Amino acid sequence: QQQVKQSPQSLIVQKGGISIINCAYENTAFDYFPWYQQFPGKGPALLIAIRPDVSEKKEGRFTISFNKSAKQFSLHIMDSQPGDSATYFCAASTTLTGGGNKLTFGTGTQLKVEL
Amino acid sequence: DTAVSQTPKYLVTQMGNDKSIKCEQNLGHDTMYWYKQDSKKFLKIMFSYNNKELIINETVPNRFSPKSPDKAHLNLHINSLELGDSAVYFCASSHTGADTEAFFGQGTRLTVV
Repeated sequence: QQQVKQSPQSLIVQKGGISIINCAYENTAFDYFPWYQQFPGKGPALLIAIRPDVSEKKEGRFTISFNKSAKQFSLHIMDSQPGDSATYFCAASTTLTGGGNKLTFGTGTQLKVEL
Repeated sequence: DTAVSQTPKYLVTQMGNDKSIKCEQNLGHDTMYWYKQDSKKFLKIMFSYNNKELIINETVPNRFSPKSPDKAHLNLHINSLELGDSAVYFCASSHTGADTEAFFGQGTRLTVV
């Protein structure tokens, strides 16, 4: 079953607009929630991340909103730019006994920012 | 300067062959991973290694055998390749502990024909 649900699958936004991507999870063992950005032919790269004891985190034009009781979190991209066109993945992380973290990814959102 | 490097970037091979993908990280991380991205871009963890020791194997067929000669390297060997193995394979690494960022390589696009 899909442990992290992500929507929408694709999104077209005008330059300067706000892009919003939503995710929901079920497993309360998740302890960290990163967002990754992936450009074609490249590996995913961390964009911004949040701990579940924080309701909002902002870094530049990127903001994560986190609702622990609803088990939902979202990414807002303000003043969207054509260079933001990429695939965005939400993820939920579990700390592994023995070291490291296991990332469970959402299904991805393909964002296109038009001029 | 590449933090996590994988070779080769592209791999085309016939069904039944055996192939390897190499991964090296120069970030000083203790933990390394293999993730698989399918044709629908869905990313899923395959293996995690910490200091050369296997931590998790996410129900990956035993045709896939990771090998970690030291904590900076995690190679993936695949035996008897099948059409369904076609995907992009990403190596990643991170520090040990909670809330740590995973750094991904550029990926290896494997095509089995």
